[in-house]
Amino acid sequence: AQSVTQPDIHITVSEGASLELRCNYSYGATPYLFWYVQSPGQGLQLLLKYFSGDTLVQGIKGFEAEFKRSQSSFNLRKPSVHWSDAAEYFCAAYTIVYAGGTSYGKLTFGQGTILTVHP
Amino acid sequence: KAGVTQTPRYLIKTRGQQVTLSCSPISGHRSVSWYQQTPGQGLQFLFEYFSETQRNKGNFPGRFSGRQFSNSRSEMNVSTLELGDSALYLCASSGSVPYEQYFGPGTRLTVT
Repeated sequence: AQSVTQPDIHITVSEGASLELRCNYSYGATPYLFWYVQSPGQGLQLLLKYFSGDTLVQGIKGFEAEFKRSQSSFNLRKPSVHWSDAAEYFCAAYTIVYAGGTSYGKLTFGQGTILTVHP
Repeated sequence: KAGVTQTPRYLIKTRGQQVTLSCSPISGHRSVSWYQQTPGQGLQFLFEYFSETQRNKGNFPGRFSGRQFSNSRSEMNVSTLELGDSALYLCASSGSVPYEQYFGPGTRLTVT
């Protein structure tokens, strides 16, 4: 079945340390891939996206992600974490579904990774 | 441009009641999608509307319904509320790039 997996439910890092959040997808073809961030009580904010081309994509707030087709992964990274980065992070995949003579898009989310930042 | 807005932000309802949530997309966006977010199930897709037509539907019971108006504003309705419907309901809109969705702040529904 098509799915997005975030293996780490909770990650704790110290402020200033580097960060890597893992994401794996299971699809027949490479989907469009996204990372979103959600602060408590808020909606989702798009951090970055990958459609095709350069496998290293830059996003907002100093985040980047690397697409690795061989590993079906799209891991999110940041070289130096700030206390304000504490939030929940979601990886998502968008695919086109063909059914009944029509097509539509579907955005599927991973379960999320909660990031805690220690001072 | 103003972002996606959702009203109300918080709601408390009693089991068996019904509720209507509203979503106003980013100006010019014609697609509106709804998601339910709970601690146990995560983010689950409810349905998508485009030009007043439901284009896609997730795996939710018929108690969950929605509609979209000619100005692209959308509403979702949940009838006969159950305790398990307590969740954050998120709305997202997209424009000419359908896979790029922008989310609103959500409506926190509590069913008692």
